[in-house]
Amino acid sequence: GAVVSQHPSRVICKSGTSVKIECRSLDFQATTMFWYRQFPKQSLMLMATSNEGSKATYEQGVEKDKFLINHASLTLSTLTVTSAHPEDSSFYICSRPGPTPYEQYFGPGTRLTVT
Amino acid sequence: QKEVEQNSGPLSVPEGAIASLNCTYSDRGSQSFFWYRQYSGKSPELIMSIYSNGDKEDGRFTAQLNKASQYVSLLIRDSQPSDSATYLCAVNFGNEKLTFGTGTRLTIIP
Repeated sequence: GAVVSQHPSRVICKSGTSVKIECRSLDFQATTMFWYRQFPKQSLMLMATSNEGSKATYEQGVEKDKFLINHASLTLSTLTVTSAHPEDSSFYICSRPGPTPYEQYFGPGTRLTVT
Repeated sequence: QKEVEQNSGPLSVPEGAIASLNCTYSDRGSQSFFWYRQYSGKSPELIMSIYSNGDKEDGRFTAQLNKASQYVSLLIRDSQPSDSATYLCAVNFGNEKLTFGTGTRLTIIP
């Protein structure tokens, strides 16, 4: 069964508004979780590493003030897209580490459309 | 620059045949390699991990790793229409992150 859940699965918002995406590790206490973005017909691009109890680590070129990450507990990480614009429309996917080295298990993803 | 390269395809294979997917990576020191399957509109699903040179088999899937050539492949035997998907190669370059290739789109022709 699923080991990572995401909510919502799909969201449409207006330009300028903010959207929060939740990622839950269902069977494992994860001190680290990962957030990816995938544009159509492209591969996954890591946006940031979410760290429980401390600040997220953002990849080069990802605006930390636009993509707010909070890892409030060992089972929940949230990504908030602030002041969303149409170019932020994408498939956002979170993951958590697996039991063997460097494996990652992905949530089902959240499809964001900004109008 | 740590890179993972895959042929984007599409790769078309008749049902029942062997599908062969290839991946090369840039860092000779890499230790961990993964194959994910991604159906259209869905998130990636881990199907194989491999850490040592040689072959690793799991059901119809075989991963092959050659660290000297910086090459990892995935073979799918007895291909089924349900195997039609994009296959992503992912490599760990020595930290906790994964770097993904652009994926190979595989179509199994009935």
